[in-house]
Amino acid sequence: KQEVTQIPAALSVPEGENLVLNCSFTDSAIYNLQWFRQDPGKGLTSLLLIQSSQREQTSGRLNASLDKSSGRSTLYIAASQPGDSATYLCAAPYTGANSKLTFGKGITLSVRP
Amino acid sequence: NAGVMQNPRHLVRRRGQEARLRCSPMKGHSHVYWYRQLPEEGLKFMVYLQKENIIDESGMPKERFSAEFPKEGPSILRIQQVVRGDSAAYFCASSPTGSPNYGYTFGSGTRLTVV
Repeated sequence: KQEVTQIPAALSVPEGENLVLNCSFTDSAIYNLQWFRQDPGKGLTSLLLIQSSQREQTSGRLNASLDKSSGRSTLYIAASQPGDSATYLCAAPYTGANSKLTFGKGITLSVRP
Repeated sequence: NAGVMQNPRHLVRRRGQEARLRCSPMKGHSHVYWYRQLPEEGLKFMVYLQKENIIDESGMPKERFSAEFPKEGPSILRIQQVVRGDSAAYFCASSPTGSPNYGYTFGSGTRLTVV
C-alpha cells in the first residue's frame, strides 16, 4: 500500500526566495506522480505530471523532479511570489499502475511580501 | 470545455438527512473518481466508476454511502442518514481512460456541513 509523506506541513518564506517542496513515497513501482495546488476553500489545480520514464517536468517557474529509486519527488519554485501562497499536494498511484491516487497531506506555503 | 463540474458547491444537511453530490466529468472523460478531504487530513480515495460500472469502491464506508455513474447524466455520490463526521469536502476527478498515464482533472468540490 502506497504511503505519501510531505514534510514540513507548513513553510513561510520571503518573496523572491527559491524553494523546494519535498514529497516521499513508499512504493517506487509507480507510473507517474502528480503535483497539485489547492487554494483555501477551493479545488485542486494540477501543476505538473511526471511520468516514470521522465526525471523532471517544467512549467514556468515550477520544476518537478522524480527519483523512483529513492522514493522522492521535489517541486522547485523559483522566485516565489505572494500569489504562490497555497497548499501543495503530491499524489502517487495507489500501487504501480493503479489509477486511484494516494495523496500526501500537503505543504502549506506562505510567501511574505 | 467547462472542466469537471461539481454541484452544489456548499451543502448543509441536518443529521439524518440525505446528501446527494453531483459530478459531471470533463467532455470525453468516462472515468470518475471520488475523494474525501476531512479537516486536517489529506484526500482519501473513495470510489472509482466508469459509465454504468463501479470499478473500485474499496474506499467507501460500508454503510450509508453509495455512488453511481449512469449512462446519461452526472455521477452521484449519495450519503444517507448523514452524521456530523460526514462533514468534509468531497472532490470528484475525471480521466479520459483508466490508465495512470494521463493526469486527473479535479472539480472544485462540494463542502458538506452536517448540523
